[in-house]
Amino acid sequence: SQQGEEDPQALSIQEGENATMNCSYKTSINNLQWYRQNSGRGLVHLILIRSNEREKHSGRLRVTLDTSKKSSSLLITASRAADTASYFCATVRANFGNEKLTFGTGTRLTIIP
Amino acid sequence: GAGVSQSPRYKVAKRGQDVALRCDPISGHVSLFWYQQALGQGPEFLTYFQNEAQLDKSGLPSDRFFAERPEGSVSTLKIQRTQQEDSAVYLCASSPARVTSNQPQHFGDGTRLSIL
Repeated sequence: SQQGEEDPQALSIQEGENATMNCSYKTSINNLQWYRQNSGRGLVHLILIRSNEREKHSGRLRVTLDTSKKSSSLLITASRAADTASYFCATVRANFGNEKLTFGTGTRLTIIP
Repeated sequence: GAGVSQSPRYKVAKRGQDVALRCDPISGHVSLFWYQQALGQGPEFLTYFQNEAQLDKSGLPSDRFFAERPEGSVSTLKIQRTQQEDSAVYLCASSPARVTSNQPQHFGDGTRLSIL
């Protein structure tokens, strides 16, 4: 079953605006990862944040993690048409023995040129 | 190769037929995962290999699903007596990690399976 939910389910913004999507999860984690999926393609890793980290940046991406609330957010700044895709958060459960990913339900992002 | 390769990209089968899906992970990657992604949903874990050992098959939905990785590289996911609910995209991912290492997984483009 899915680990948790992402919010919003769908988001449409104008090119150049910032996009924020949120993720909630249920169990203790080792890390949380964000992936992008273009239509008909596999998932591309964007960023990984460890359970002892609170914020991480990579280019136009900013991820926050609040383990007390079991939630994370992904901010994409200065959006581009090429950012149009589905975005998934995924968690690696703590003390589990392998690194299988448990995914959220995804946010479908559309950037309007 | 440069990335994870899956074949075929598309597979159409009649209900009741057996299918085999192939995954070529990144060379040298120890860990290999299979996921099932229903339309409009996030991927769900099926099974995990560390080299040739299948260490976790808790996500396989029924005994009609079988996976192997006999030489610790290429993996095959086999579905016997397919049913319509098996229609989904099957994703393979690999990682150089052996155990918890905080490393990402590398995904193939998946096999889209349609059962008629």
